[in-house]
Amino acid sequence: ETGVTQTPRHLVMGMTNKKSLKCEQHLGHNAMYWYKQSAKKPLELMFVYSLEERVENNSVPSRFSPECPNSSHLFLHLHTLQPEDSALYLCASSQDIPRTGDINYGYTFGSGTRLTVV
Amino acid sequence: AQKVTQAQTEISVVEKEDVTLDCVYETRDTTYYLFWYKQPPSGELVFLIRRNSFDEQNEISGRYSWNFQKSTSSFNFTITASQVVDSAVYFCALSERDYKLSFGAGTTVTVRA
Repeated sequence: ETGVTQTPRHLVMGMTNKKSLKCEQHLGHNAMYWYKQSAKKPLELMFVYSLEERVENNSVPSRFSPECPNSSHLFLHLHTLQPEDSALYLCASSQDIPRTGDINYGYTFGSGTRLTVV
Repeated sequence: AQKVTQAQTEISVVEKEDVTLDCVYETRDTTYYLFWYKQPPSGELVFLIRRNSFDEQNEISGRYSWNFQKSTSSFNFTITASQVVDSAVYFCALSERDYKLSFGAGTTVTVRA
């Protein structure tokens, strides 16, 4: 069990459904991230939150809606998804958003949610 | 353009063989960080190493070793005397002046008993 917990581990949803992915960390980290891992493609950064404020939205379609109610929890709300959105969604956290010159930062990843859109 | 290239898609070895994973990166920044992560079948990304651009010393940690060559923009990873538990997907990643991690496509390592 890593320090970052994601639920559910697996999710199958229809294109008209609404569901949410949950990420939780109790590492005392201030920054949280959503990544998408599709088959045969590099991991893609989707969203970044620092101290509950969104600091990055990497051209992600509006059918993905993140929410960060506090520094320990991060959600990804899903609605009207497409089959090509099927992927492994990984959450990560770090102490803070690293700045140039930081030499002591790292990311802790969760086990991911395997999403299948049918 | 792809910032991190892992040319090997899959590598299959027999237990106790050594395996080297290649990673070539591209950046214009003088300060940057390189990472290797392991992703076992359970899915989570396990941090293996972080190296900053000013530290070209090679590093060894148990059966793992890393060879950082700035001249060729490479950060290769070797597993010595591989074991079945080493079977996983391994990702090389680059972080530049911002905090974003750019990942390579990953190399799937299969170690057969």
